[in-house]
Amino acid sequence: DSGVTQTPKHLITATGQRVTLRCSPRSGDLSVYWYQQSLDQGLQFLIQYYNGEERAKGNILERFSAQQFPDLHSELNLSSLELGDSALYFCASSVEGAYTEAFFGQGTRLTVV
Amino acid sequence: TQLLEQSPQFLSIQEGENLTVYCNSSSVFSSLQWYRQEPGEGPVLLVTVVTGGEVKKLKRLTFQFGDARKDSSLHITAAQPGDTGLYLCAGVDGGSQGNLIFGKGTKLSVKP
Repeated sequence: DSGVTQTPKHLITATGQRVTLRCSPRSGDLSVYWYQQSLDQGLQFLIQYYNGEERAKGNILERFSAQQFPDLHSELNLSSLELGDSALYFCASSVEGAYTEAFFGQGTRLTVV
Repeated sequence: TQLLEQSPQFLSIQEGENLTVYCNSSSVFSSLQWYRQEPGEGPVLLVTVVTGGEVKKLKRLTFQFGDARKDSSLHITAAQPGDTGLYLCAGVDGGSQGNLIFGKGTKLSVKP
């Protein structure tokens, strides 16, 4: 158990819909990362938050947004969903620093039908 | 943005064989991590290497960080079916504070 909790574990929704994925980081970790993993793309970095503020942005679509709340949990919002958004979405947390080591949740498997 | 390239992309071997997988970049990293991911699960941290030339051993796994801190290798001795998984290397992007970037991984299959 990494200490990072993601909910829900599975999500099936229709195209055009909006979903919210939730992540609770390890106790004491201020950084939260979101990654998308599909079969052909590997782990794609989406966005990072540190102590409530956006720290870095990767290949995140405009239809996607995220936030980190005062209690440090984070949510990833995906809207106007398309079939190609079907993937595993991982949240990771870390203690910030040059030797950043990420601890991953078990992921949310999103299926868009 | 710094890139990490891993090779080979796929590797299928018999139980008992040795293997080495590589993680290369044209950029310098302050540290590199290796993770293993099993199907349907999140990546799990195996090791962090920090110093150029550093070698770390974890049972049958040996990790090496290149002298210039641009590359790393993972050597597995006498592979077992339980070693099957996706091996990912990751490093902190020097152009962004704390952004952890990953290579695409090496998918290892060890057959009994």
